[in-house]
Parts: sequence; C-alpha cells; structure tokens
Amino acid sequence: DGGITQSPKYLFRKEGQNVTLSCEQNLNHDAMYWYRQDPGQGLRLIYYSQIVNDFQKGDIAEGYSVSREKKESFPLTVTSAQKNPTAFYLCASSIRGSGTGELFFGEGSRLTVL
Amino acid sequence: GQQLNQSPQSMFIQEGEDVSMNCTSSSIFNTWLWYKQDPGEGPVLLIALYKAGELTSNGRLTAQFGITRKDSFLNISASIPSDVGIYFCAGRTYYGQNFVFGPGTRLSVLP
Repeated sequence: DGGITQSPKYLFRKEGQNVTLSCEQNLNHDAMYWYRQDPGQGLRLIYYSQIVNDFQKGDIAEGYSVSREKKESFPLTVTSAQKNPTAFYLCASSIRGSGTGELFFGEGSRLTVL
Repeated sequence: GQQLNQSPQSMFIQEGEDVSMNCTSSSIFNTWLWYKQDPGEGPVLLIALYKAGELTSNGRLTAQFGITRKDSFLNISASIPSDVGIYFCAGRTYYGQNFVFGPGTRLSVLP
C-alpha cells in the first residue's frame, strides 16, 4: 500500500543524546516535511525538502538537522542542542511544494526526553 | 510563522447532532485542507478544496472554500461516536511552499 512510514513510533532519549527519526514514503512525492506538534498548538514546520539533496529550514529548525539523499527518505535528527525536544513529530509529503496539491502525513513519532 | 484561527476550540455535542467549525486567515489561500486526528495518530486528510466557493462532500462531511478565500468551513452531519477527535485546517497560498495550520477543534460526542 502507498503511504508514509515513520519509525520508531515511541522513542525515549536521555538528555545530551542525539536521536534520528525515520520517514519513508512510496508515493513518489517530490516534497517532504517535518512538523512538531505540541498540545493546544498548530503544527509547526521544522524542515522541508522540495527535491533530493536540497532542504530548507522551517520556523523552528534550531536543534534539528535533516538529509535528503533519496527521494523516498527524509530522516530527522533531534540533536542535544534542542532545548525542549519532548513532542510528537510528524512527517508529511506532497506531490509538489507549491500551488495545488494535498499534504499527507505519517502516523507520527513520539519522543520523550528522560 | 503564521497560524490560522480556528473555532470553536472545543465542542461537546449529542450523538446525532450536526457540527460546524471554521477556519480563518489573514492571507488569501488557493488551497484549504481539512484533517481529523485521533490521539497518538497522524492526521488523516478528509477534504481538499481548491476554488473559491467550492463545496465538497465526503460522506457526512461537507467543507466549503470561502468566497473571500480567507476562510473555510467544515460541517459534520448526524454525528456518531467515531467522529470524536481533533479536526484541523491547513491552508496554502498559490506561490507558498508550505502549509499553515490551525490549532484544531476538539470534538466530543456524547451518547
């Protein structure tokens, strides 16, 4: 089935550790996105990528890093520099990065810092 | 970054009642999307709108792209228990690369 797969679904991290969240899509979409969701707030954009080997910072990129070496993969690393990393992280993709087009989400990864 | 205004923040309704919620923006959009999110899950796309005035249905759900292009509305008819969840909107300008999101409307359905 076509879709977006995020892993792991739950992740616990000690302070000072980097962690990487995986996002894979088989929808042949060009654009991919990472969002952070906190209770009572709208989704906030961390990073996005319109094409392989290119990505742009979103509104809250500090403390995060990404790569886009393959069209179907867009992993997110939460570094130790991120001050408040406990959150629900959502990966999304769309057929293109502007104009019309729908945005589809993965099932999310919940990161908890101990 | 910009966020959308969405109302109401939460609502409690009786099973069988109709529900209305709306989303407003200070910018003109060419795309409106409506999602439903269950706890601990990713959002699921319900309806996509691309034209001012457009009215689109998906089962008991109906959404409209506002004439001003700065708002959108979602209606749910004859609510059932599985409608419980958070509904949120997303919009994008024609040349915008990214979507902006509303904070969501939390819907509770009482039996």
